[in-house]
Amino acid sequence: SQQGEEDPQALSIQEGENATMNCSYKTSINNLQWYRQNSGRGLVHLILIRSNEREKHSGRLRVTLDTSKKSSSLLITASRAADTASYFCATDGWEGGGADGLTFGKGTHLIIQP
Amino acid sequence: EAQVTQNPRYLITVTGKKLTVTCSQNMNHEYMSWYRQDPGLGLRQIYYSMNVEVTDKGDVPEGYKVSRKEKRNFPLILESPSPNQTSLYFCASSLTAGEGYGYTFGSGTRLTVV
Repeated sequence: SQQGEEDPQALSIQEGENATMNCSYKTSINNLQWYRQNSGRGLVHLILIRSNEREKHSGRLRVTLDTSKKSSSLLITASRAADTASYFCATDGWEGGGADGLTFGKGTHLIIQP
Repeated sequence: EAQVTQNPRYLITVTGKKLTVTCSQNMNHEYMSWYRQDPGLGLRQIYYSMNVEVTDKGDVPEGYKVSRKEKRNFPLILESPSPNQTSLYFCASSLTAGEGYGYTFGSGTRLTVV
């Protein structure tokens, strides 16, 4: 099954700066989702972008999707210490009608320095 | 509060001693899934269920069993645990699969098999 691949693996920035994470995937998708995970805790759904959408916003989050390049980016603006977490992209593919669920990348670990 | 509840949060067991990790959701979701998370490997799907009495293998099903007798519950069974099943396990649910709904995750079960 296809797998998203986040880049970079780790990112450390100063509070107030913007953080950008990228995700690449391999095959056609229905939609792509981003999740946040605080250390050892469950993942929290952040935002979903469908294959026919190019950009989506939610608060300080901005997601873009380029299906021709099979890539997505997550931008967090005006970062805060509480944004420190791991961020995962997950693809919902069309194989089998999407019944096999989401396939996750390995994540980007974001550290916001105060 | 809408949630996915996993129990136990932590479990240390010995090789070969059967165990069950419970998962329950209160959102009337049709789709439920189990993932394991390992360093460097990300999240990998173990089993999923489209609805009551409908289950199927994910990417890493060996050594695991599941059942879906009721809509709200989706237990993960390790009949004869081995040390390579030491991992962080997550249960997740979604309204339905393949329609672009986000997943709700449980808080995780950290399993150690000695």
